Amino acid sequence: QLQLQESGPGLVKPSETLSLTCTVSGGSISSSRYYWGWIRQPPGKGLEWVGDIYYTGSTYFNPSLKSRVSISVDISKNQFSLEVTSVTAADTAVYYCARLDYYGVRTFDYWGRGTLVTVAS
Amino acid sequence: EIVLTQSPGTLSLSAGERATLSCRASQSISSSYLAWYQQRPGQAPRLLIYGAFNTATGIPDRFSGSGSGTDFTLSISRLEPEDFAEYYCLLFSSSHTWTFGQGTKVDIK
Repeated sequence: QLQLQESGPGLVKPSETLSLTCTVSGGSISSSRYYWGWIRQPPGKGLEWVGDIYYTGSTYFNPSLKSRVSISVDISKNQFSLEVTSVTAADTAVYYCARLDYYGVRTFDYWGRGTLVTVAS
Repeated sequence: EIVLTQSPGTLSLSAGERATLSCRASQSISSSYLAWYQQRPGQAPRLLIYGAFNTATGIPDRFSGSGSGTDFTLSISRLEPEDFAEYYCLLFSSSHTWTFGQGTKVDIK
C-alpha cells in the first residue's frame, strides 16, 4: 500500500524559508506514470494546489506562488521536497503531499496526512 | 484562468436524505479532469470521483458524479453519519495547473 509522509519544521519565522520533505513508501517515485505534488490548506480555509514534479525533475507551479516556490526530487531516497521562500503569515497552512496519477485516474489519488506549518516570530 | 464555483456553501440535511452538490466552471472543461474529494475534520482529502463520473476504488456506491461542459454534480444517494464532511471539486487545466472549488460543507440538520 502506498504511503506518503510529510516532515519538516512546524514553525518558521517570517521572511525565512519553509522546507518540507515527503517520503514515499510502498511504491517508486521514479515510475513514469506519476507526478508528485504539494497542496496546502490554511486553517479553516479551502485547498490550494502549490505545485508538482515529475521524476525527471520537470516542475509545475501555481502561478500565484511561482516566484517563491521550488520543488525537487531525490530518487535515491524516494523523496520529494518543497521550499517556499520569504514566508509570511499567509503561508501558515497544513501542507499535504500527494501522488498525481497523471496517466491513470488523472488526479491526486494518494495523500499524506499533512503537516501544519505556522509562520510566526 | 478557469474558476470553479461550488454551491451551496453549506448543505444541511439529515441522515438518509439525498445530497446534491454542484461545481460550476467559468468555461467549458473536459470531464476527464474533474474530480471530487471528501475531507473529514482533521483528515486529508479522500478521492471519491475522477473523470467526473468514475467512482474511485473503495468508495461506496451511494456516491456518484455526473455532468459535462460547465456543470458538474456530486450526488450522495442516502447520507450516512460518516458522510457529513466538506467536499471539494478539482480541475486540471491544459496549462498544467490545478484549481479547487471553494468547498461545500454537508452538515447535520
